[in-house]
Amino acid sequence: DSGVTQTPKHLITATGQRVTLRCSPRSGDLSVYWYQQSLDQGLQFLIQYYNGEERAKGNILERFSAQQFPDLHSELNLSSLELGDSALYFCASSGGPSGGYNEQFFGPGTRLTVL
Amino acid sequence: GEDVEQSLFLSVREGDSSVINCTYTDSSSTYLYWYKQEPGAGLQLLTYIFSNMDMKQDQRLTVLLNKKDKHLSLRIADTQTGDSAIYFCAESIEGGSQGNLIFGKGTKLSVKP
Repeated sequence: DSGVTQTPKHLITATGQRVTLRCSPRSGDLSVYWYQQSLDQGLQFLIQYYNGEERAKGNILERFSAQQFPDLHSELNLSSLELGDSALYFCASSGGPSGGYNEQFFGPGTRLTVL
Repeated sequence: GEDVEQSLFLSVREGDSSVINCTYTDSSSTYLYWYKQEPGAGLQLLTYIFSNMDMKQDQRLTVLLNKKDKHLSLRIADTQTGDSAIYFCAESIEGGSQGNLIFGKGTKLSVKP
C-alpha cells in the first residue's frame, strides 16, 4: 500500500458527461501528479500541483482541469467526455517527510469507461 | 524530445535471472526509475538511480546505467512467479519537485514455473 488513495475505483459514464476523480496524497506529501494510462498512448503525465499551485503541465487536454486543495487532496475534472478518454487515471505524490521529492508513489488508479 | 523505449515482452524460467532493458533519449535526465505494475494494480516503485551512478543494487534487483549509450537495465536475480508483471522504465528530466516522469510502454515479464 503506497499510502495514496484514489476514488472512485471504477467510473462508467456516457459521452459528453463530466466526471471528477479524487486523490489523497501520502501524509505530508506536497506534490500531486496526475497520469493517464491508455492502451495506445501508454502512461502519460498530465499535470502536477505543489502545495496548492500548478507546477508543471504535460499532455493535458483543455477539457481536463485539476486543482489541489488546502488539505492537499487533489481533484481531476474531465468534461465533454469522449470515447477516447477511457483509460486508467493515476495519481502520484511526492515531497513529504517520509520520502524525497525524487520518489513518486502511485495510487491504485481510477478506471474510467466512457460509453 | 524525450522518449523512453523498452521491449514489450520477456519470458524466463523460474530461478533464472531476468534482464529488462530500456533506452532513453534525453541526456539531461537526472533520475531513472523502475516501476512494477501487477494486473489490476497501480504502479509500485521498485528502485531508482541518479544519473551520476553506474550501478545500484537492492536485494535481488540490480540497476545498471550506461549514460554514454543512454541505456538502463534492471536485472532480477532468481526470478519467481510472483515477479510476473509489467515493468516500466521512466526518466525524470528536472528532478526535485518538478520531476514529472516520462514512461516507456512497459515490458511484460512472464515467469514460467
